[in-house]
Amino acid sequence: GENVEQHPSTLSVQEGDSAVIKCTYSDSASNYFPWYKQELGKRPQLIIDIRSNVGEKKDQRIAVTLNKTAKHFSLHITETQPEDSAVYFCARIRGSQGNLIFGKGTKLSVKP
Amino acid sequence: DSGVTQTPKHLITATGQRVTLRCSPRSGDLSVYWYQQSLDQGLQFLIQYYNGEERAKGNILERFSAQQFPDLHSELNLSSLELGDSALYFCASSVGFGRGTWETQYFGPGTRLLVL
Repeated sequence: GENVEQHPSTLSVQEGDSAVIKCTYSDSASNYFPWYKQELGKRPQLIIDIRSNVGEKKDQRIAVTLNKTAKHFSLHITETQPEDSAVYFCARIRGSQGNLIFGKGTKLSVKP
Repeated sequence: DSGVTQTPKHLITATGQRVTLRCSPRSGDLSVYWYQQSLDQGLQFLIQYYNGEERAKGNILERFSAQQFPDLHSELNLSSLELGDSALYFCASSVGFGRGTWETQYFGPGTRLLVL
């Protein structure tokens, strides 16, 4: 279908550890995959995105990998800090339109 | 700050009432998207406008309508409100209208609607 499956729904890590969130999709027409971070009561904030013509993109402690064949993409956060605690949403752009289809979100808790 | 503004920040109203939410996109952006975020449904796309015209519709109820004005700001009208309409309503904007291109969407701060 057109949904994006996101796992896990909750993730708790110790400060300094890595966190990995994975999303899968089925629409092969998808070609843009952003990740948003949302703190409680605030707006979703774009943290990184990847286009379908690359397999990996990195921005400091955050990286995203994309496997178009397997139709999954993942967010990797290294050296986690307490301020990384938030809900993270993956999304894909709907192939025939411009709107985003979001995963259900992952609540990340980083314990000091 | 994303550059997208939304008013009001909070809205409390009663069932059966009608409200209007307002969004101003980032300078230069022609597309506006409306999303609804509730606890059980996550972030759901409602409707998209590009340069004044409706471009795509998602899970938008018939009681809801929207428009985009010549100055590119957009309004989302919610009528005959029900308890289940209580949610955060976000608008986002992008330069173009997507169409399979790689348009980054920037979200506004949202309007929290509470229907009592």
